[in-house]
Amino acid sequence: ILNVEQSPQSLHVQEGDSTNFTCSFPSSNFYALHWYRWETAKSPEALFVMTLNGDEKKKGRISATLNTKEGYSYLYIKGSQPEDSATYLCAFLLTGGGNKLTFGTGTQLKVEL
Amino acid sequence: KAGVTQTPRYLIKTRGQQVTLSCSPISGHRSVSWYQQTPGQGLQFLFEYFSETQRNKGNFPGRFSGRQFSNSRSEMNVSTLELGDSALYLCASSPGLAGGFFGPGTRLTVL
Repeated sequence: ILNVEQSPQSLHVQEGDSTNFTCSFPSSNFYALHWYRWETAKSPEALFVMTLNGDEKKKGRISATLNTKEGYSYLYIKGSQPEDSATYLCAFLLTGGGNKLTFGTGTQLKVEL
Repeated sequence: KAGVTQTPRYLIKTRGQQVTLSCSPISGHRSVSWYQQTPGQGLQFLFEYFSETQRNKGNFPGRFSGRQFSNSRSEMNVSTLELGDSALYLCASSPGLAGGFFGPGTRLTVL
């Protein structure tokens, strides 16, 4: 059974704060690591797909890094805004696993004014 | 480009009944995956269909089944519903091997 762990489970920050979350995954048979943002009553939205060790991806104020050798990825949000409030999910894709994503339980972010 | 659509959006059934959920992927996408989310649990993989063939299966009982049609639309069926089947069911479509774009989900309530 694959274990994908995310921390913290939830986070409350003030508008303008920068924050980061961690996703830990098995380091063997790695194929890809996905980050999703899931707002209440909406579909999960793909943020990043990361495949190479040392990958760094950026989308506006959000960025992510990947370390496949030690099995972790960080997601950073710079200058958090209330609209960043959502659950952030990471999902691991195994080599030879087709599109079977193994999800972590997510980090719930609440950005307050 | 239209996104992933799922029907129905909400469903109420009673124990012992069966249910069929439908997912229409993004045009051109051949892979459709299904996930279940229950309170307190993360998204759990049910199965994946690619070009009408089941490519992967999660750890769910045989009451959960699916299929994919030649136009890539997919259905999942749950027979003999149990209270624990109450969940949000999401499908994701992908052109090949790229995770997925998710639909809005079907909220199933079993009474």
